[in-house]
Order: sequence, then C-alpha cells, then structure tokens
Amino acid sequence: GAGVSQSPSNKVTEKGKDVELRCDPISGHTALYWYRQSLGQGLEFLIYFQGNSAPDKSGLPSDRFSAERTGGSVSTLTIQRTQQEDSAVYLCASSFADLGTDTQYFGPGTRLTVL
Amino acid sequence: KQEVTQIPAALSVPEGENLVLNCSFTDSAIYNLQWFRQDPGKGLTSLLLIQSSQREQTSGRLNASLDKSSGRSTLYIAASQPGDSATYLCAVKGYGGSNYKLTFGKGTLLTVNP
Repeated sequence: GAGVSQSPSNKVTEKGKDVELRCDPISGHTALYWYRQSLGQGLEFLIYFQGNSAPDKSGLPSDRFSAERTGGSVSTLTIQRTQQEDSAVYLCASSFADLGTDTQYFGPGTRLTVL
Repeated sequence: KQEVTQIPAALSVPEGENLVLNCSFTDSAIYNLQWFRQDPGKGLTSLLLIQSSQREQTSGRLNASLDKSSGRSTLYIAASQPGDSATYLCAVKGYGGSNYKLTFGKGTLLTVNP
C-alpha cells in the first residue's frame, strides 16, 4: 500500500515568510509524528498526534511553529516568520498506535531552505 | 534525558567486508531499539527493531544486538555491497508518558566501495 507522503519535497523561502508543510500518513494509522533533521544533527522530535487526544507539542522549538491534523488524517506543519536556523529536513511519520512496541513509518521529508 | 551516540560518524569499506556499527544510549529504561537506513531524498527505512526483552534480531545480511544493561547496540552487516551505502540511524523508545518519542543518534554514514 501507499506509504507516508510529504509535500513539497523541497521548499526555498525568504527569511520572514510563512511556510506550510504537508503530511499524508498511511491510511488507518492513528498516530502521527513530526521530526526535524538539521545539518549534522540527529532527528529531533517536534510534535505528536494520537487520535482525538490533545497533541504533544513539547518538541516545538518556538511559538512560530504550529501543527494541526484535520479529520485524524492529513497534518500540516506551519512555520511563521521563518528564520535561517529553521533550514532543515522535516520528516513526518505515522504508526498504528502509541504502543511502546510499535514501528513508525517515515515519509521522504521536506527539505526547507530559508535564505 | 536520553542521549544516543553512534560511532563511527563515517565509515568507508571495500565491497565484501563485514562491518559493525555501534550505538550507545545513556538511559537503559527503553521499550525498544530500532535501526534505520536513510537514503538521500527517501526518508527513513526501518531495518530491525529489537524489543527490550530481546538480545538480537536478524534480517538477511543484517544482525542487530542489544545489551540493555550496558546501553549498547551493534548493527552487523555481512558481506557488504555498494547498495548498502547509506546513513544508518539508531533510535530508542523510552518509558513514561512520552513513550512514543524516538530519540535518535546522529547516524553513521557508510560508503561501500566497489
């Protein structure tokens, strides 16, 4: 079946602009995660959605970052007033549940470049 | 706070060699440990997942071991091939209220030369 998809694959923007990154999880997966991978750094957890529960936003680096998940499926990560340090690959993952033994399936990522 | 370290950061080997990638973590209270492969522009692919109660998992030419008490895991690749060239990431999932979070190492960039 189809895997996790993300769009756009690449995004170049000017400092100060807002950007939206989209994630389509695997059908039937109730859990959705956003991670960020900056150059030379490991993947950094940003936000987690599980069903209709309140999301865990503890990983968002600033209030310029927000995310929503509509209808328990598609998710959008929004970065307002982008800064150069926001340049990174943003990865989305989904899984069936938040069980400790579950596997997260990752999308190809969106490479964001802030000029 | 869990920290995951991967050594070496980069490795270059000739085709056919057996090799070992290392991963260490600071908090041994983990649900599981997972090895991923990352190819440029293609996201992450899960290779092996070891539950905390297990000591190893095997898939084809790959074997991953876990020593939870010492906070270490190794990924063994037998008879390496140029197609194995990629970045290999180790990630652990912990206990507690945020047990869905994966904590990743920075990865090992593997190059297998023909």
